[in-house]
Amino acid sequence: GAVVSQHPSWVICKSGTSVKIECRSLDFQATTMFWYRQFPKQSLMLMATSNEGSKATYEQGVEKDKFLINHASLTLSTLTVTSAHPEDSSFYICSAGRLAGGPPNNEQFFGPGTRLTVL
Amino acid sequence: DQQVKQNSPSLSVQEGRISILNCDYTNSMFDYFLWYKKYPAEGPTFLISISSIKDKNEDGRFTVFLNKSAKHLSLHIVPSQPGDSAVYFCAASSAIYGGSQGNLIFGKGTKLSVKP
Repeated sequence: GAVVSQHPSWVICKSGTSVKIECRSLDFQATTMFWYRQFPKQSLMLMATSNEGSKATYEQGVEKDKFLINHASLTLSTLTVTSAHPEDSSFYICSAGRLAGGPPNNEQFFGPGTRLTVL
Repeated sequence: DQQVKQNSPSLSVQEGRISILNCDYTNSMFDYFLWYKKYPAEGPTFLISISSIKDKNEDGRFTVFLNKSAKHLSLHIVPSQPGDSAVYFCAASSAIYGGSQGNLIFGKGTKLSVKP
């Protein structure tokens, strides 16, 4: 149990286009989903926290108009990178928090990540 | 300023021996710590966690030790196996950040190579 999927697993796009990444919790309901990005040889950096039915909370330095997050249901959150530029090329990973109380722990479960390359 | 530090970017260990991965933190508000394992082009996989009320947690070959006074934790893997070769991330959180379902602060990771 506790499987999180992401789609697509990789995407290559031209500069100026928008890219949508989906994150789904397959076998549990996630009230909270998180979006991280990771640059090569760097740590995972939290970009934003999204709660179902409400606006996402962005970390300092993350442009909310550039990285649009929608958490439409308890099993789906989307991240749209708008007007992507080469510096947005990165590995984007989502995670989902299972509702409290479930075994083994109420940890975050991570998706497999999406490699975005902007040409 | 990094709040969670993994000072060793890489570690090489012989199969069957013990692997010790270290992690230091600076924020005394952290009260929950996690270790994740990550393969290239994949998301992190949860390994083991520890609450600040404990100083040790064991799960099979994996044991995490927490030294609160030193703000230091370590992950022991024994015996190490070639399949353990991956990048290991230490992460910390706090109840004020939402606990394990809130903001996790990650270290930069340590790449473990277990040689046959």
